Amino acid sequence: GEDVEQSLFLSVREGDSSVINCTYTDSSSTYLYWYKQEPGAGLQLLTYIFSNMDMKQDQRLTVLLNKKDKHLSLRIADTQTGDSAIYFCAVPRSYNTDKLIFGTGTRLQVFP
Amino acid sequence: NAGVTQTPKFQVLKTGQSMTLQCAQDMNHNSMYWYRQDPGMGLRLIYYSASEGTTDKGEVPNGYNVSRLNKREFSLRLESAAPSQTSVYFCASSEDPSSGNTIYFGEGSWLTVV
Repeated sequence: GEDVEQSLFLSVREGDSSVINCTYTDSSSTYLYWYKQEPGAGLQLLTYIFSNMDMKQDQRLTVLLNKKDKHLSLRIADTQTGDSAIYFCAVPRSYNTDKLIFGTGTRLQVFP
Repeated sequence: NAGVTQTPKFQVLKTGQSMTLQCAQDMNHNSMYWYRQDPGMGLRLIYYSASEGTTDKGEVPNGYNVSRLNKREFSLRLESAAPSQTSVYFCASSEDPSSGNTIYFGEGSWLTVV
């Protein structure tokens, strides 16, 4: 089955860039997603990328997709304390695209 | 804009008790989901419903039942709660997520089984 992996923690200084990485096993995924979860809240869609793209930029967010290595990354430029949250990557399950498989989530901590 | 509403937000159960988590969405979505979130394990799909009247198992369905009462509502029932079911539960809804459509999440239900 589909497997989505992320590192659990990332700590960065305010103003630096953050890079959150994700690897997945299924190459047939169409869209790949990044979700953000703030403390005590549900997940909110942050951004997504279509599988025929290599890069997508949205203000401070840059998503990079390496299909050959099945590697997805989220770069946050000029990281702020408000960016502290858990970030999940998610990909549709190959044999049933109505369901998303989520990674374990990366807890981003931003310190002054 | 209500979006996805789930109740209760917090619940403590004794082992063996039963309860139902309620979920409703007002976005006319066909697909609805129940996930559980545990530390270090991300979100795992319990059950989902692709349309009114249909339900299907996800990754961790054991110990749970669901009911898609109508297009708006999708409930999750624990018939005999166990401590292993202590978790945060999220209901979600979407149109076809494989087409880049957003999955909208409720705010979560914190369940403790003692």
